[in-house]
This record gives sequence, C-alpha cells and structure tokens, in this order.
Amino acid sequence: KAGVTQTPRYLIKTRGQQVTLSCSPISGHRSVSWYQQTPGQGLQFLFEYFSETQRNKGNFPGRFSGRQFSNSRSEMNVSTLELGDSALYLCASSSGLAGLGTGELFFGEGSRLTVL
Amino acid sequence: AQSVAQPEDQVNVAEGNPLTVKCTYSVSGNPYLFWYVQYPNRGLQFLLKYITGDNLVKGSYGFEAEFNKSQTSFHLKKPSALVSDSALYFCAVSPTYNTDKLIFGTGTRLQVFP
Repeated sequence: KAGVTQTPRYLIKTRGQQVTLSCSPISGHRSVSWYQQTPGQGLQFLFEYFSETQRNKGNFPGRFSGRQFSNSRSEMNVSTLELGDSALYLCASSSGLAGLGTGELFFGEGSRLTVL
Repeated sequence: AQSVAQPEDQVNVAEGNPLTVKCTYSVSGNPYLFWYVQYPNRGLQFLLKYITGDNLVKGSYGFEAEFNKSQTSFHLKKPSALVSDSALYFCAVSPTYNTDKLIFGTGTRLQVFP
C-alpha cells in the first residue's frame, strides 16, 4: 500500500508570493491533517480534515488555508508568504472511521518551503 | 491547556544498553499520549500510544512506554538500544480522544554509539 505522498518535495518562493502544497493520503484513509515543522517552533498543528470538512484548525493566521477533496486528497495554501513561513510542511493521514480521529498518524516526507 | 515537555534535547547511549527518553505532560482531563520517531529527512513514524488501560504500552521496533499518572510522565524505553535507533523522538498529547490534532513536544535526539 502506497504511503502518504506530498508534492512538491522542495520549493523556493519569494516574499509576497503564494504557494499550494498537495497531499495524497493512504488509500482508504479519509482523515488528513497538516503540520508545520520549524527549528524554532517545532511541530505545530495547522488543520485537520475529514470528508471535505475542516474538523480542527490550529493557531495560524488566515493566510494559511486548506481544503480536502471528495477523493480525500488535500491541499494547503499559504498566501502573501513571509520569511517566517520557511518550514517543512508535513501531511498525515489516519484511518479514523465515522469522523473520529485516532492520533495514529501516517506522515508523508513533507514539502520543504524556503521563502527568500 | 494541554502540553508536553521533553526535558532533554539529546540522549546518548551505548549500543546494547537500555535507553529512556523522558516526557512529562500537562492535561486538564484524561491524557491521550503518543510517541513518534523521525529519521533524517523523513516524515514522522508512529511508535505507540496510551489511551487507557495498562500503564506499560508496547509499540513498534521493541519500544515501550510507561504511563505514570502520579508523576504525569510517559517515558519511552527500550531494553537494548541499537545504532539504528538513532533519530529524533517526539512525545505528543491529544486534547481529546477522537481527533488527529496532536500537540508535540520539542523532540529529543537519541544518539546510540557503537
């Protein structure tokens, strides 16, 4: 069974631009969550989706947004990029049923964003 | 507010020796606790979780964790360390049982020397 796939793996943007990151969960997984990993702040929760509905949102500005499609694939978007948005963005999926999360997350290898 | 603390930035242990990676938690209700491992340039991998029941939880790759309610701790242990165990270990807590929103600790780098 294929794991969580994130694209692109690496990208470089300049301040003020926007970026869209994509995540394909493990087949059959309907829950997708996103995390930001930085050396200074560590791992921080961004969003959690189930069946195209945002179930939880972390404490990030409105420039960070996400969505989930009917096939469970998910995207996150960051608009008006700032230098501090440079990070590894990790997507995870889980097999939670009936809209319930499990905490047992399967992570992708991440998208490393560098903002210049 | 829910939080976890990992007091050690790095733990060094010789191969074959037992290892312990420490984690303490602060929650307002029942704790739902997790350990994850991150190998270089890789995403995180789930090791084990505590929801309820036995205080000793067994997980992947020979790891186990001991839940101690009185000390609010959830330390990760392994009887005999391997060089391949060298990685970054994260403790995490979930605010409720039915969510994938995890609050992670700052991580502890485990270095196992031959």
